[in-house]
Amino acid sequence: GAVVSQHPSWVICKSGTSVKIECRSLDFQATTMFWYRQFPKQSLMLMATSNEGSKATYEQGVEKDKFLINHASLTLSTLTVTSAHPEDSSFYICSARGDSNQPQHFGDGTRLSIL
Amino acid sequence: DAKTTQPPSMDCAEGRAANLPCNHSTISGNEYVYWYRQIHSQGPQYIIHGLKNNETNEMASLIITEDRKSSTLILPHATLRDTAVYYCIVGIYNQGGKLIFGQGTELSVKP
Repeated sequence: GAVVSQHPSWVICKSGTSVKIECRSLDFQATTMFWYRQFPKQSLMLMATSNEGSKATYEQGVEKDKFLINHASLTLSTLTVTSAHPEDSSFYICSARGDSNQPQHFGDGTRLSIL
Repeated sequence: DAKTTQPPSMDCAEGRAANLPCNHSTISGNEYVYWYRQIHSQGPQYIIHGLKNNETNEMASLIITEDRKSSTLILPHATLRDTAVYYCIVGIYNQGGKLIFGQGTELSVKP
């Protein structure tokens, strides 16, 4: 149980384009989903927290107009990297949680490369 | 900043128990201790969590000291597939349950 699916697993695109990443909880309802970013040889950095049906809460220093998060249902959240540039290249990982006493479960990540 | 301190790396012989320590001296009363691991190029995998009692599941055991200022994750019979970065994280419930990852411990299981 507690499976989180992330799609796509990797994407390469040109600078200036927008990229959408999907995160789905397959066998549970995720009241809260989280988005992280990880650069090579570094730990995960939390970008934002989203609750179903409400606006995401972004961590300090994360541009909300750059990284658009939508959590329209209890099983799906999306992260859109708008007007992506090479410095946005990174490993993006989502996680999902049911109720507040349950642990977060993570997707397998999306490797984004901007040329 | 992360609220935990872990050794950056450890080695363990295959088949032996791996004991990974974690210090969390500023933990508050309603915060849980979570352990995750990340195998290269994958998302973190949940291992176990606990509040104050010791916990055991099919993957590992978690030993939390009585004062809750430190804990140890025990993998009873480490295999090569347990080679990963292990993260000890204290849950921040008053901020929506978000997890702040530190640098973790890179465990290398050797044959």
